[in-house]
Amino acid sequence: EPEVTQTPSHQVTQMGQEVILRCVPISNHLYFYWYRQILGQKVEFLVSFYNNEISEKSEIFDDQFSVERPDGSNFTLKIRSTKLEDSAMYFCASGNRAKKEKLFFGSGTQLSVL
Amino acid sequence: GESVGLHLPTLSVQEGDNSIINCAYSNSASDYFIWYKQESGKGPQFIIDIRSNMDKRQGQRVTVLLNKTVKHLSLQIAATQPGDSAVYFCAESALIGGAQKLVFGQGTRLTINP
Repeated sequence: EPEVTQTPSHQVTQMGQEVILRCVPISNHLYFYWYRQILGQKVEFLVSFYNNEISEKSEIFDDQFSVERPDGSNFTLKIRSTKLEDSAMYFCASGNRAKKEKLFFGSGTQLSVL
Repeated sequence: GESVGLHLPTLSVQEGDNSIINCAYSNSASDYFIWYKQESGKGPQFIIDIRSNMDKRQGQRVTVLLNKTVKHLSLQIAATQPGDSAVYFCAESALIGGAQKLVFGQGTRLTINP
């Protein structure tokens, strides 16, 4: 079964540093998402992306965050200047249609900001 | 505002027994719901979904019930197995900005006792 892949699985960084989290969505999918999960809490929506632009973003997704689809297969989340509170598990997800159907999630990148 | 929540944070059942995990939602306009399973260190894995034109949907060993009157969802797992131990999230779907946004509940940790 096709799956969403994310790299790295763990990322440790110093506060103030830039990080890029990488995702390879399922190949025929057109809608891409980032969610995050702080330890012990629920999964939260960050951003949705379609047709090379952001469709929707949450309040969490401030100016320090950006997303990009640099080529036909990768989808990245960049945090420009990490803060301690950015420490979380970040999940990439993809879907092949805008209509309400299941999204496929990757295994996540655990980001630890020290 | 929109929110999806769970009644119980933890649930323990004996192997072979049936389990029921509950979820309440607040947006009466919601018309699509998904249950996800999350094992330790992994991303959310799709279990089953239901649309608001149905009140029951069955999968393999799982059944989702939707009561729109009281805005309540439940996930029933029959004949639980050790591999069912995980955190289970319900999610409510909305189409925003042309893409889908999932609002997750807090999650219920299901433990299967041998």
